[in-house]
Amino acid sequence: DTGVSQNPRHKITKRGQNVTFRCDPISEHNRLYWYRQTLGQGPEFLTYFQNEAQLEKSRLLSDRFSAERPKGSFSTLEIQRTEQGDSAMYLCASSLGQGPNGYTFGSGTRLTVV
Amino acid sequence: DQQVKQNSPSLSVQEGRISILNCDYTNSMFDYFLWYKKYPAEGPTFLISISSIKDKNEDGRFTVFLNKSAKHLSLHIVPSQPGDSAVYFCAAIPNSGYSTLTFGKGTMLLVSP
Repeated sequence: DTGVSQNPRHKITKRGQNVTFRCDPISEHNRLYWYRQTLGQGPEFLTYFQNEAQLEKSRLLSDRFSAERPKGSFSTLEIQRTEQGDSAMYLCASSLGQGPNGYTFGSGTRLTVV
Repeated sequence: DQQVKQNSPSLSVQEGRISILNCDYTNSMFDYFLWYKKYPAEGPTFLISISSIKDKNEDGRFTVFLNKSAKHLSLHIVPSQPGDSAVYFCAAIPNSGYSTLTFGKGTMLLVSP
């Protein structure tokens, strides 16, 4: 499978718990992005990496959120002390270079905080 | 503040007719625009794009028109097919060199046989 893979597909957690999501990009893609989509909204940018360097972070990414991309391969997004407002679809995308046409999204991880 | 606006949450069209999806933007720094299509339980997939130096781009049944002075773009699908039923997102990218996208809220297109 040469697409962007995200795990898990679904996650239900209790408020206050920590959760971690994983994204495996297309292997030759050097850029990796995280977006969040809530009900009735379009995807909103969270952060992006070029190789292992985190180059941009959105104001949406509060201190409870942290993302890593060790060795420039897969990436993890961790949310600490989850809140009900964190319930959303978390989308990962990857691209080779800057070309937006080459942006490939994964199927997302749907987080429900109860 | 919504910088990319899709004011129609939904659109219903009969098979074979034209579908027109609209998008407005407010940020003058945007100079590249894209349309993505999203099926339930899947991530968005790239459909077609247009640079601000053009006013039209065509790819098969899909054509995107850009009116830069009005800060408006539209996606035309002709002829519409039931398989086109999905949520369509308009997205924009600034000329700053970053490749992060600003999305609209999406328009759900339903094409009935």
